[in-house]
Order: sequence, then C-alpha cells, then structure tokens
Amino acid sequence: SQQGEEDPQALSIQEGENATMNCSYKTSINNLQWYRQNSGRGLVHLILIRSNEREKHSGRLRVTLDTSKKSSSLLITASRAADTASYFCATDAGGSGAGSYQLTFGKGTKLSVIP
Amino acid sequence: GAGVSQSPRYKVAKRGQDVALRCDPISGHVSLFWYQQALGQGPEFLTYFQNEAQLDKSGLPSDRFFAERPEGSVSTLKIQRTQQEDSAVYLCASSLVMSGRGSYEQYFGPGTRLTVT
Repeated sequence: SQQGEEDPQALSIQEGENATMNCSYKTSINNLQWYRQNSGRGLVHLILIRSNEREKHSGRLRVTLDTSKKSSSLLITASRAADTASYFCATDAGGSGAGSYQLTFGKGTKLSVIP
Repeated sequence: GAGVSQSPRYKVAKRGQDVALRCDPISGHVSLFWYQQALGQGPEFLTYFQNEAQLDKSGLPSDRFFAERPEGSVSTLKIQRTQQEDSAVYLCASSLVMSGRGSYEQYFGPGTRLTVT
C-alpha cells in the first residue's frame, strides 16, 4: 500500500520557474527521501531528510519536513527542461523487527518543464 | 563506478509461464531490495535481503513469488505461473547497511519491465 501522497499529481511549468511538490504520509518515520524517475528508467536518489531535521538544501533543491503535519515539500528552483521527470517521496519507518529499512513510496508528481 | 544492473530489461511471458529476473547490486552493498511498480504508481516493496539472508518478504503478493540471494551478491526474483496482474516493472535496489536509527539512500537499477500476455 502507498504511504505517501504527492500533490499535485502533475505539474507543468516554464523553464526558469520554480516547482514545488508536496508529500503527505501517514505513520511515524525515521527519515523521508525524494527520488526522481525519468521515463522508463530507474529511480535516482535526490535528498534524504531525517525526522529531526526541518529543512535541507542540495544545489537547486530545497526540502522541508513537518513531522507534526506529516508532510514534506520539495522545491526545485530555476527549473530546467532536464528536470522533467516523475518525483516520488519515500518514507522509512525504520527496522520492522528485521531492520529492513524498506521504503514506502507515494504515487509521484509528474513534472513537465517546458523550454 | 558500476551501478545496480538488472536483466533482462524487458520480458514478455505468456500466462502460466515461469520467469526469473536478475539483479546485480553495487559491489559491497549488503542490503538488497526488490520493488514492484505498476504503471502510474510508485514502487511497492516486495522483499529485502541482508547479505544472503532474506529478512523481510512481507511484500510478496503471493506464494508464486520467490526471491533468493544465495551468495549475498546477485539476487533472482522468480515468479511462477505468471498472471496478467503480474505485469509491472520490477525494480532492484541496493544499499549500505546502517546500524541503529535511520538508513542510507537506496541505489536503484533500471528495472525489468514484465508483460504477461
């Protein structure tokens, strides 16, 4: 079952604009990660934010986490056509007895950046 | 360096056939995960290995699904008597193990797209 829900499901912006995607989840987490998936390819890790962190930056990416609201946002600044992809949030609730650290993904946001 | 590789990239199987999907994780990565991704959905967890031990198989949808990692490196996901609902992309990921709270990022392979006709 899907843990997270990304919002919006699809987003279309012009190159140079900022893109904001949101993610909500249901249960307590150890950390939250964002991944990108280009069409027909595997997932690429973007950024990991731990439950005791509120904000994290990596290049043009900014992630926030609000554990009280069980939500996170991913901001991509100065978007480029190459940012066109699906973006997924994934939560890790920690070892389920066996320490599996399995990730639970949302359904993703499909971002289109128009040149 | 080499990433996670999977083979075949595409597989078409007739309903009822058995299939085997292979995953080569990043060298030295102790943890290995299998996920199933249906069209338009996010990946869903199937099973997890730590070295050769299968520590979590709670996501396997039925007893037709079987995974192994006998030497703690390459893993095979086998699906017996395939059904149309098995059509999906099967993703493999590997990760360093971290003790205690938290985890490392997972590195994903390109996936195997399985189509059952």
